[in-house]
Amino acid sequence: QKEVEQDPGPLSVPEGAIVSLNCTYSNSAFQYFMWYRQYSRKGPELLMYTYSSGNKEDGRFTAQVDKSSKYISLFIRDSQPSDSATYLCAMSKNTGNQFYFGTGTSLTVIP
Amino acid sequence: DTGVSQNPRHKITKRGQNVTFRCDPISEHNRLYWYRQTLGQGPEFLTYFQNEAQLEKSRLLSDRFSAERPKGSFSTLEIQRTEQGDSAMYLCASSLFSGGTEAFFGQGTRLTVV
Repeated sequence: QKEVEQDPGPLSVPEGAIVSLNCTYSNSAFQYFMWYRQYSRKGPELLMYTYSSGNKEDGRFTAQVDKSSKYISLFIRDSQPSDSATYLCAMSKNTGNQFYFGTGTSLTVIP
Repeated sequence: DTGVSQNPRHKITKRGQNVTFRCDPISEHNRLYWYRQTLGQGPEFLTYFQNEAQLEKSRLLSDRFSAERPKGSFSTLEIQRTEQGDSAMYLCASSLFSGGTEAFFGQGTRLTVV
């Protein structure tokens, strides 16, 4: 079993929709949680970074962490065609140690 | 551009040849990471450095792979006697080990072994 599970999709939504992306994990030692966006043939771009449980909002993006359920989410409001990309969740046990990635969810926002 | 820089962006090599990739991290970042990503998968950890010290290596990093970070600045990843299974995107990331763990990735080097 992988330490981080992520539904690969693909996910297709109309422009303006609210998108919900999720990951589950098995290791309770994870404390730092990140979401990256990756366009085709490009490197991952950091979107959100959170520590422990709780919510964090940045513009149209909201990250949620529920450590009791070992479940993290990324919500995208008012989705745009430019949001079409693969979204990767990542997590680490300690500050600066290696990150464990999900497989990524492919999102397409249809104009 | 003050982001993480990787060179070359693309490399095609024949099986059995050696290849070397370079990563220049964000200048004040003291941690540098190498990851490998194959199609449809998330990045897999290979190794990381704090300054010039290599602190951790994955079991994925066979003895054909070697990484260095002389003087704690840029880093190189060398693959000797390349195999077709080495074809992947090799990603470098850097972070400032000082409370936060946000890591910023470069654009990657895409390796194709023919």
